[in-house]
Amino acid sequence: IQLTQSPAFLSASVGDRVSITCRASQGISTYLTWYQQRPGKAPNLLIYDASTLQNGVPSRFSGSGSGTEFTLTITSLRPEDFATYYCQQTSIYPITLGQGTRLETK
Amino acid sequence: EVQLVESGGGLVQPGRSLRLSCATSGFTFDDYAMHWVRQAPGKGLEWVAGISWNSVKVGYADTVKGRFAISRDNAKNSLFLQMDSLSPDDTAFYYCAKGHESDQKSFASWGQGTLVTVSS
Repeated sequence: IQLTQSPAFLSASVGDRVSITCRASQGISTYLTWYQQRPGKAPNLLIYDASTLQNGVPSRFSGSGSGTEFTLTITSLRPEDFATYYCQQTSIYPITLGQGTRLETK
Repeated sequence: EVQLVESGGGLVQPGRSLRLSCATSGFTFDDYAMHWVRQAPGKGLEWVAGISWNSVKVGYADTVKGRFAISRDNAKNSLFLQMDSLSPDDTAFYYCAKGHESDQKSFASWGQGTLVTVSS
């Protein structure tokens, strides 16, 4: 299953609301996970099952979607949110991830 | 606190082998699936292999199938990745990751990674 994220790069400012889309090449129900990766660090799980917020993740992060189209939304961006975001499908092996969306400061 | 510590990376010549290890603590190891995920320098994440809690089910990315083997030792709370026939395309940081309690194919916790460089 191929995952295509858009956009690949996103410029925004502190306080903005942004959305990242992940499209699957075939239906995956809600078997979709989102990660954040800051430079030089290991990734961090944000959302699983398409819309369930991981414990400890701020509520400004939210996920939606099912089937083939999914969205990660961050409301009111904070400086620490500028990072790269990946989606991952956990429907079937082999597990696959999107190519990443780099969120940069405008 | 969950801790995952990878070791065994380094510089290796093309065609040679390397075995990575991941020592874990802070959770009940044999309750969880475990995974290896890699990231070439400056590139995206790629899942490499996963193994169920009891080693019955294993899965591999097509890029490593037949060359890499994942295994675990529940008595020692450790995960392994045997990598054979290495090529320069295998150069990457290799992360050990713990399955999520609600979705064992998601990666709830990660190690700090170990760098594997394949070069002559």
